[in-house]
Amino acid sequence: AQTVTQSQPEMSVQEAETVTLSCTYDTSESNYYLFWYKQPPSRQMILVIRQEAYKQQNATENRFSVNFQKAAKSFSLKISDSQLGDTAMYFCAFVTGSNYKLTFGKGTLLTVNP
Amino acid sequence: NAGVMQNPRHLVRRRGQEARLRCSPMKGHSHVYWYRQLPEEGLKFMVYLQKENIIDESGMPKERFSAEFPKEGPSILRIQQVVRGDSAAYFCASSRDTGSLTSYEQYFGPGTRLTVT
Repeated sequence: AQTVTQSQPEMSVQEAETVTLSCTYDTSESNYYLFWYKQPPSRQMILVIRQEAYKQQNATENRFSVNFQKAAKSFSLKISDSQLGDTAMYFCAFVTGSNYKLTFGKGTLLTVNP
Repeated sequence: NAGVMQNPRHLVRRRGQEARLRCSPMKGHSHVYWYRQLPEEGLKFMVYLQKENIIDESGMPKERFSAEFPKEGPSILRIQQVVRGDSAAYFCASSRDTGSLTSYEQYFGPGTRLTVT
C-alpha cells in the first residue's frame, strides 16, 4: 500500500522565522515524484514544490526548500523567512511512475504569528 | 483565467437528489482527476480521465457515482441519490501529457463544496 504520514497535525511559527514540516511516505516503487501542496483558508490547492525521486539534489523554490532522504523515505519542507500569507494547511503527496494517482497525507496546519 | 475551472463553488442538495459537478482543465491539459476531501482529511483520489476515456476509477464508490470527460465540454462528476455522507469538497485537477515530470504535476481547481441536507 502507498501511504503518506505527516506526524505534525499543527505547527506555529513567528513571522520571519524558519519552520520545517515533516513527511514520510511508503511505496515499493523506485520511480516516483513528490510534492508539497498548500491549502490556504480559500481552500484552493496550490503546488508549492516538487521533487523527482531519482534526483539527489534537493528542490528549492524561493523561500521553500525540501530535504529529501530517499533511503529513509522522508521528504520534509522548510519554509524560510515565514510570512503571514504562509498560514495554511500543507499537504505532502506523491505519485508513482506507474500511475497518476496522487496519494496525500492528512496535512499539517501551519500558523504564522505576527 | 487560464487555471482549472470548477463550478459551482457551492452546491446544496437534499437527500435523494442528484449533484453534478463540472470541471474545465487548464488549456493544453488533456488529463483530468477528481479527488474528494472530507473534513479534517487529505484529498482522496476518485477517478482519472482522458478525453472520452476513464483510465482509472479505482477510488470511485461502486454505486451512485459516475464521471465523464466528453470530447467537447467539461468533465462531469455525477452523484445520484445523494446522502449526507457525500457532503465534502470535491476537487478537480488537470495535467499535461508530455512524458516528463510535468505529466505528473497536477494543478487543482478551487473545488466544489457539496452540502447534503
